[in-house]
Amino acid sequence: DSGVTQTPKHLITATGQRVTLRCSPRSGDLSVYWYQQSLDQGLQFLIQYYNGEERAKGNILERFSAQQFPDLHSELNLSSLELGDSALYFCASSVGGQVSYEQYFGPGTRLTVT
Amino acid sequence: LAKTTQPISMDSYEGQEVNITCSHNNIATNDYITWYQQFPSQGPRFIIQGYKTKVTNEVASLFIPADRKSSTLSLPRVSLSDTAVYYCLVGEYGNKLVFGAGTILRVKS
Repeated sequence: DSGVTQTPKHLITATGQRVTLRCSPRSGDLSVYWYQQSLDQGLQFLIQYYNGEERAKGNILERFSAQQFPDLHSELNLSSLELGDSALYFCASSVGGQVSYEQYFGPGTRLTVT
Repeated sequence: LAKTTQPISMDSYEGQEVNITCSHNNIATNDYITWYQQFPSQGPRFIIQGYKTKVTNEVASLFIPADRKSSTLSLPRVSLSDTAVYYCLVGEYGNKLVFGAGTILRVKS
């Protein structure tokens, strides 16, 4: 158990819909990262937040957005969903603000878009 | 970011030592070498990190030669539960993690 929690575990929704994925980092960690893992793209970094502020951006689509709240939990919002958005979405956390190579990953949310 | 090359897959038997080598010819001075393990449908798990020579923890050892153009993750006495994908990442703090295809390790009884 990494100490990072993600909800929900599974999500099934239709194209065009909007969903919100939630992540709680390990106690004491201020950075939260979001990743997408699909069969054809592998594990892709989406975005990092540190103490409430966006710190680094990866291959995140404009239809996706994220935020980190004062209690440090984070939410990833996916809108206008397409079939290709079906994937595992992982959240990870680390202590500092700089992108760390020692990150602790949650169990993931499996999103299925039908 | 330094490009990494790993074998696509490896097979081993329980109780054997497994060595997975990663090639990173373009590694930069400030780059660290980090290995992650991922089981199916689970998030990656940090295994070990090093800069040069040898690093050992309770799970694995990491060997890095003087030129740092490659590294070897060593898993002692593997068991069936070590069957997973192993990723080698190279980069410096502040740069995003780039996961490649990894090495699929299959441990057989």
